[in-house]
Amino acid sequence: DTEVTQTPKHLVMGMTNKKSLKCEQHMGHRAMYWYKQKAKKPPELMFVYSYEKLSINESVPSRFSPECPNSSLLNLHLHALQPEDSALYLCASSKTSTYNEQFFGPGTRLTVL
Amino acid sequence: AQTVTQSQPEMSVQEAETVTLSCTYDTSESDYYLFWYKQPPSRQMILVIRQEAYKQQNATENRFSVNFQKAAKSFSLKISDSQLGDAAMYFCAYRSGDAGGTSYGKLTFGQGTILTVHP
Repeated sequence: DTEVTQTPKHLVMGMTNKKSLKCEQHMGHRAMYWYKQKAKKPPELMFVYSYEKLSINESVPSRFSPECPNSSLLNLHLHALQPEDSALYLCASSKTSTYNEQFFGPGTRLTVL
Repeated sequence: AQTVTQSQPEMSVQEAETVTLSCTYDTSESDYYLFWYKQPPSRQMILVIRQEAYKQQNATENRFSVNFQKAAKSFSLKISDSQLGDAAMYFCAYRSGDAGGTSYGKLTFGQGTILTVHP
């Protein structure tokens, strides 16, 4: 299994809603990443988890709250988002944070109304 | 800080022809890795090819090959015998060798090149 899965595929939420994005991998990877990507732009790193510990937070606003309950699962909790937060949210994983290759999931397309 | 520059926002190629996508980077590190990722319109990012900076030999994966010029800090991607399925946005990316263990595999991406393949 060389797949990173993300749910939901699409999400529409209001600015007062609370929602969560989910990312799962069963490759035994111990590093997991959240990226935000605007249309026709490169991904921007948001968070890195290494061995279930938050290792990098790229100064992301607190309305985004990551969680890594176990080595296979990564969540991104969303609360009080702004319309400018509408984007594609990509999850990726890597064997370890020092390993070469990151495997990306298909992403969740988020629209904030 | 490292930077990655892709100077070609868009490129096009005829099916079966060869196209080269450019990438330059800036770093003061001696140990690093370079990647080309492909993101088709379906949006899943896929690794195309990787190059370790310490390796002099250019990486090759089937129809994809790179021209890695370390002194010039250049890392171009050549796609031979282009196919319709090669149409995508291509990102060049840099990762530190991270001897200090602080970058946690962080990728620095270029702005991307949209490749169109004409039948």
